[in-house]
Amino acid sequence: EDQVTQSPEALRLQEGESSSLNCSYTVSGLRGLFWYRQDPGKGPEFLFTLYSAGEEKEKERLKATLTKKESFLHITAPKPEDSATYLCAVRAGNTGKLIFGQGTTLQVKP
Amino acid sequence: ETGVTQTPRHLVMGMTNKKSLKCEQHLGHNAMYWYKQSAKKPLELMFVYNFKEQTENNSVPSRFSPECPNSSHLFLHLHTLQPEDSALYLCASSQGLAGNPDTQYFGPGTRLTVL
Repeated sequence: EDQVTQSPEALRLQEGESSSLNCSYTVSGLRGLFWYRQDPGKGPEFLFTLYSAGEEKEKERLKATLTKKESFLHITAPKPEDSATYLCAVRAGNTGKLIFGQGTTLQVKP
Repeated sequence: ETGVTQTPRHLVMGMTNKKSLKCEQHLGHNAMYWYKQSAKKPLELMFVYNFKEQTENNSVPSRFSPECPNSSHLFLHLHTLQPEDSALYLCASSQGLAGNPDTQYFGPGTRLTVL
């Protein structure tokens, strides 16, 4: 069964304290791994798409990496405005169906 | 308007009411999606439309009825809902299912409360 597990569920950091979020997945025929950011009461905002093991993408303080079994979202020197829930999802097959993890809620304190 | 828009943003309805949610995408995409997001649960896919044709119904109860008149508009018609249907309903769009990896872009959502 296709499955996505994110850890930790919640993460509290001090401003400037770098860390990583994990997304482990089990899927047959990966056709993309996606990271989204979601603020309370809003829709998910697209961050990155990763497709091949070894691929890396960067945007400001965020860097996403992908292996055959997991993806990491590295946050370097976070700021309070990085506080949000970060969602990981995988696409398997041709149906367009995304399988989401539970998300990691990040709080960055000044 | 840009991106994916949804109306209304908030909706309160009784169990016997009939209402509709509307989604419009301004990205020139060909695929549209409805998701349900309940508290403490992962986003759950409900329906997928590709070039106006429904390609996925994720075992959704018949009290939820989707409609896709064209590639830019998607509706979710609601009737005789239950309190457990209260959730954030999200619409998304993507270039098309044949694309790889075909990134989905989400709207702001409709917060639905069923009394």
